[in-house]
Amino acid sequence: EPEVTQTPSHQVTQMGQEVILRCVPISNHLYFYWYRQILGQKVEFLVSFYNNEISEKSEIFDDQFSVERPDGSNFTLKIRSTKLEDSAMYFCASSGGQGATNEKLFFGSGTQLSVL
Amino acid sequence: KQEVTQIPAALSVPEGENLVLNCSFTDSAIYNLQWFRQDPGKGLTSLLLIQSSQREQTSGRLNASLDKSSGRSTLYIAASQPGDSATYLCAVRPYGNNRLAFGKGNQVVVIP
Repeated sequence: EPEVTQTPSHQVTQMGQEVILRCVPISNHLYFYWYRQILGQKVEFLVSFYNNEISEKSEIFDDQFSVERPDGSNFTLKIRSTKLEDSAMYFCASSGGQGATNEKLFFGSGTQLSVL
Repeated sequence: KQEVTQIPAALSVPEGENLVLNCSFTDSAIYNLQWFRQDPGKGLTSLLLIQSSQREQTSGRLNASLDKSSGRSTLYIAASQPGDSATYLCAVRPYGNNRLAFGKGNQVVVIP
């Protein structure tokens, strides 16, 4: 079965450093998302991406965050200057588009980001 | 703002018992509702998706119901097995946007 792939599975960084989290969505999907889950808290939405642009973003997704689809397969999340509170599990997800079946979200296994 | 609550937060059942997991949401203007399974340190696996016009969805031993007007969904897992041990997350997609609002999850342990 096709799956969403995320790398790396774990990332440790120093506060103030830039990190790039990488994702390969399912190949024929059109919508791409980033969510995150701080330990012990709910999964929370960060951003959605469609047709090579951000379609929606949350209040969390400030100027320190950016997303990019540099080629036909990768989807990246960049955090420019990490803060301690950015420590979380970051999940990439994709979906096919509108419609009953296509709206199922498929999630990757996540990147655990630890900011020291 | 849509708030999603899941009760109970955690439960343990002996193998073979049926599981009943509850999800409630504050705003009934939803597009759909999804149930996910999350294993420790892993991603989310979509189990069932119910459109707002539907009352229930079934897949194998899993059945999810939706009562949109009262803001409730229930996930039933029949004849539980130790492999069903996981956290089950409920998420709603509100009308007008593309973001899912998640509950905190029901952490389930099935005792052999």
